[in-house]
Amino acid sequence: DSGVTQTPKHLITATGQRVTLRCSPRSGDLSVYWYQQSLDQGLQFLIQYYNGEERAKGNILERFSAQQFPDLHSELNLSSLELGDSALYFCASSVDEAGGGVGEQFFGPGTRLTVL
Amino acid sequence: GENVEQHPSTLSVQEGDSAVIKCTYSDSASNYFPWYKQELGKGPQLIIDIRSNVGEKKDQRIAVTLNKTAKHFSLHITETQPEDSAVYFCAVLPWRSNFGNEKLTFGTGTRLTIIP
Repeated sequence: DSGVTQTPKHLITATGQRVTLRCSPRSGDLSVYWYQQSLDQGLQFLIQYYNGEERAKGNILERFSAQQFPDLHSELNLSSLELGDSALYFCASSVDEAGGGVGEQFFGPGTRLTVL
Repeated sequence: GENVEQHPSTLSVQEGDSAVIKCTYSDSASNYFPWYKQELGKGPQLIIDIRSNVGEKKDQRIAVTLNKTAKHFSLHITETQPEDSAVYFCAVLPWRSNFGNEKLTFGTGTRLTIIP
């Protein structure tokens, strides 16, 4: 158990709908990352938040957005869903220490999204 | 951006034998190289990592070697056991020029099967 929690575990919805995925980082971790894992694209970095602020963006679609709340949990919002959005969505967290240290990223169990 | 290639995509080894997975990267500024193990239905789990100032790191049956000149690093698993069967991902993180801007780029994964 990595200490990162994600809800829900499974989500089935229809095209055009909007869903929200939730992530709670490990205790003490300030950074949250979102990744998408699909069969044909592998693990793709979407976005990173650090202590409530967006820090880095990857291959995130404009239909997707995220935020990190004061209690450090994060939500990933996916709207106008398409069939191709079906994938596993992982959240990871790290301490992200100041001073140039690189924090290991610990992954949650993921949310499996199925768009019908 | 960073480009990470991982080989082989599938690997089957007899229980007790060794397994080696190799990754090459393109950005010579990269300085952090983790390996993740992903079991079916679970999130990636960090199993070992190496930083650019170290050539080799070992943790029991698992070792990682880094050749910065050739820009490749490898995962070595010795005395393989059935529970080693999983998908393994390498990842690369470039030198962090902006605080908090940590974007891991993952390899495409290797499905390792241990044959009893």
